[in-house]
Amino acid sequence: DIQMTQSPSSLSASVGDRVTITCRASQGIINYLAWFQRKPGQAPKSLIYGASNLERGVPSKFTGSGSGTDFTLTISSLQPEDFATYYCQQYHSYPWTFGEGTKVEMK
Amino acid sequence: QVQLVQSGAEVKKPGASVKVSCKASGYPFTSYGINWVREAPGQGLEWVGWISTFSGNKKYAQRYQGRVTMTTDTPTTTAYLELASLTSDDTAIYYCTRDPTPDYWGQGTLVTVSS
Repeated sequence: DIQMTQSPSSLSASVGDRVTITCRASQGIINYLAWFQRKPGQAPKSLIYGASNLERGVPSKFTGSGSGTDFTLTISSLQPEDFATYYCQQYHSYPWTFGEGTKVEMK
Repeated sequence: QVQLVQSGAEVKKPGASVKVSCKASGYPFTSYGINWVREAPGQGLEWVGWISTFSGNKKYAQRYQGRVTMTTDTPTTTAYLELASLTSDDTAIYYCTRDPTPDYWGQGTLVTVSS
C-alpha cells in the first residue's frame, strides 16, 4: 500500500496568514493526488484533484502543487471559514490511502 | 447538481450485518464508479472498496474480504455497502464518494455496533 505522510499534524495561524501543508507519498503517484477539507460533523469537501486542479466552486486562494512523491497545499490568505482539517489522498492505485490530516486552528 | 445521499444511522449488535445505501443524482450514474471510505473513532480515513456502476466490477480492501459486499441498482441510481459479522471495531462513519476522483461525497452514515 502507498503510505501518505502529511505534515504538520496541526498548525496555529491568524486570519490573513499564508499556510502551507505538505504531503509525501511512499512511492511515485504521478499527480493522482486530491486534497479535501473537513469540518466537524460535515462530509469531506473536495478542494483539489490531479495535484493542482481546483474543484468547481473552490476559491483560488487554494493552490495545490507537486508531482511524483511530494505535494503541497497552500492557502494564500486564511479566512475564518478556512479553519478546518485538511487531508491529502492518493488515487493512483488501490487501496486509496489518506494522510493523517492537518488541523488548522486559530492562533 | 451532483448529490450523493446516504441512508440514516444504524445501530447493530455484534455478529449482525448492516447495509448502507448511497443514492446518486445529478449525473449519469453509470459514468462514475463508487468508492466507500470509513472513519472509525480516533482512526484515520480508510478505503473500504470500489464498485464500477457500469460493469459491476469490484475491488475490496484486503481486511474486509469475505464479509463486505458492494452492489448497485442502476434504475434507482443507488449503490449499496453491506458489511457482515460486525464487531465493535466496525463502529464508524461510512462515506460513499465518486470515482475516479473523490469529487463528491455522501454525508456519511454512522454505524454503531454495540451489544
